[in-house]
Amino acid sequence: DTGVSQDPRHKITKRGQNVTFRCDPISEHNRLYWYRQTLGQGPEFLTYFQNEAQLEKSRLLSDRFSAERPKGSFSTLEIQRTEQGDSAMYLCASSFIDGELFFGEGSRLTVL
Amino acid sequence: TQLLEQSPQFLSIQEGENLTVYCNSSSVFSSLQWYRQEPGEGPVLLVTVVTGGEVKKLKRLTFQFGDARKDSSLHITAAQPGDTGLYLCAGAASGTYKYIFGTGTRLKVLA
Repeated sequence: DTGVSQDPRHKITKRGQNVTFRCDPISEHNRLYWYRQTLGQGPEFLTYFQNEAQLEKSRLLSDRFSAERPKGSFSTLEIQRTEQGDSAMYLCASSFIDGELFFGEGSRLTVL
Repeated sequence: TQLLEQSPQFLSIQEGENLTVYCNSSSVFSSLQWYRQEPGEGPVLLVTVVTGGEVKKLKRLTFQFGDARKDSSLHITAAQPGDTGLYLCAGAASGTYKYIFGTGTRLKVLA
């Protein structure tokens, strides 16, 4: 296993379009996290899963954001009706029991 | 709402100097982690501290967890250009695995 992988690495879209990001965690990790990061800032928590259960979703998110982890393996993050303020790096991380987060390289979203 | 404030926000120093980065909160954390992030990459874990007052050393880096588990510091001795990056603290409250990240400290070490 080569670590956490995210796809696509870059996405450019027009305002109002829907986008979906995929994250494949390290195979034996049961927790999966989504964060959003803007330039020079710390990652902002969006949501996390333990296996297929979504345990918490940030109240900062509007209903336009949704995440799934249908079989407790890969996860998708969908943003509907994108806005320019959604432009950011979307980071996925996975962890096992000890809590160390292993991050992917991120998916950069640009909304025009 | 848990918040982790880091200071300073930016730091530019000469090679060989020492520095300290602070991570403060009004909330208690069961554990606190420090990560370093380089451009175009995800954060990478440096250390985890779990006990109030705990001190951990990683080569030239010294990490301390406050007695009340609300704050932490990272001290770098004799900084090198390879230490350049974004330093992030992250904490989780007791009973949860929701990790909240700090505001970040961008360090640049000049040769």
